[in-house]
Amino acid sequence: ETGVTQTPRHLVMGMTNKKSLKCEQHLGHNAMYWYKQSAKKPLELMFVYNFKEQTENNSVPSRFSPECPNSSHLFLHLHTLQPEDSALYLCASSQDPGGWGETQYFGPGTRLLVL
Amino acid sequence: QKEVEQDPGPLSVPEGAIVSLNCTYSNSAFQYFMWYRQYSRKGPELLMYTYSSGNKEDGRFTAQVDKSSKYISLFIRDSQPSDSATYLCAMMGSSASKIIFGSGTRLSIRP
Repeated sequence: ETGVTQTPRHLVMGMTNKKSLKCEQHLGHNAMYWYKQSAKKPLELMFVYNFKEQTENNSVPSRFSPECPNSSHLFLHLHTLQPEDSALYLCASSQDPGGWGETQYFGPGTRLLVL
Repeated sequence: QKEVEQDPGPLSVPEGAIVSLNCTYSNSAFQYFMWYRQYSRKGPELLMYTYSSGNKEDGRFTAQVDKSSKYISLFIRDSQPSDSATYLCAMMGSSASKIIFGSGTRLSIRP
């Protein structure tokens, strides 16, 4: 275990549903990340939070809404998703986001299927 | 052109073979180069990282960076079935929040 947990591990939702993904890190880190991993595509960075403040938003559609209430918890709220949003959503954390060679620790991911 | 190119495989080799995994990149601003290993149904885990050009060795793993050719490699010696996983190269310039990943190479080591 890496110290980063994600729930749920699997999620099936319709295009009109609203759901949330949860990530929790037990490492005392200050930075947290959301990534999207699609089949045969590179990991795509979606959001970065540093000390609860969002520092990066890589042109992610507004149907994905992140929330970081504290340095240990990160949520990704989903609404009116499209089938092409089906992917593995990975959460990661690091001590801080700016250091050289900063190690990011990944959770196991939530496998999302949008019907 | 993608910023990072990585052959998706799959690559299948017999146990004990030397494995060579490679990535090419186009952005000369990249300074830090990393290899992640991802087992099925798990998140990626950092395997090795190197700064600028050169080699770095850790047990059976050697990471090599050639900035002049914009080419990085990961060598696995005496490969084991437990090395079967997807290997992701990754690189970054000035900020760890701007890590660019390759699409991953699926590796299978046959007993």
